[in-house]
Amino acid sequence: ELKVEQNPLFLSMQEGKNYTIYCNYSTTSDRLYWYRQDPGKSLESLFVLLSNGAVKQEGRLMASLDTKARLSTLHITAAVHDLSATYFCAVGYDDKIIFGKGTRLHILP
Amino acid sequence: NAGVTQTPKFRILKIGQSMTLQCAQDMNHNYMYWYRQDPGMGLKLIYYSVGAGITDKGEVPNGYNVSRSTTEDFPLRLELAAPSQTSVYFCASSYGQGSGNTIYFGEGSWLTVV
Repeated sequence: ELKVEQNPLFLSMQEGKNYTIYCNYSTTSDRLYWYRQDPGKSLESLFVLLSNGAVKQEGRLMASLDTKARLSTLHITAAVHDLSATYFCAVGYDDKIIFGKGTRLHILP
Repeated sequence: NAGVTQTPKFRILKIGQSMTLQCAQDMNHNYMYWYRQDPGMGLKLIYYSVGAGITDKGEVPNGYNVSRSTTEDFPLRLELAAPSQTSVYFCASSYGQGSGNTIYFGEGSWLTVV
């Protein structure tokens, strides 16, 4: 059965700093998703990664996928307070999509 | 553009009662999903469907049932509600897995069982 592990689960960081969130998964997959969730809200799609070596960037966020290592990263560059949220990775397996536990990111001014 | 619509948004149930959470999408998506999210936790897949008439169990199906009689609708039924079913429920849809299309989520349904 597919396991999806994110780390860290909690992250408090200063504005202006860089950091990376890691997403490991246990079974071969060709679909990796990143979502953002604000408190009390639904999930907002950030990236869909479909192939080994895929890299996508939007503003201060950049996601990459290494299917051989079964690893995806979400890199935050020069963090700003508005990026405070919970970030989830999710992995496609057969017809299912399995989520990690999420990384709660708190960016201090 | 409605997207994925869930009703009700909030509901309080007594232990042992039953209810149905409604989910409808207007994007002609084949794939639909139900997830639950407990406080401070990730999303757990309850049931999913790859098309009308086809449903399958996810990670945590016990205590729930689904049906998919049309492409648009994917209701989730809770039978004999228990406090452990207190959670936020999200419905989601997409065109299909192979194309890697974005998965769209509804706004969520907050359910409390007392």
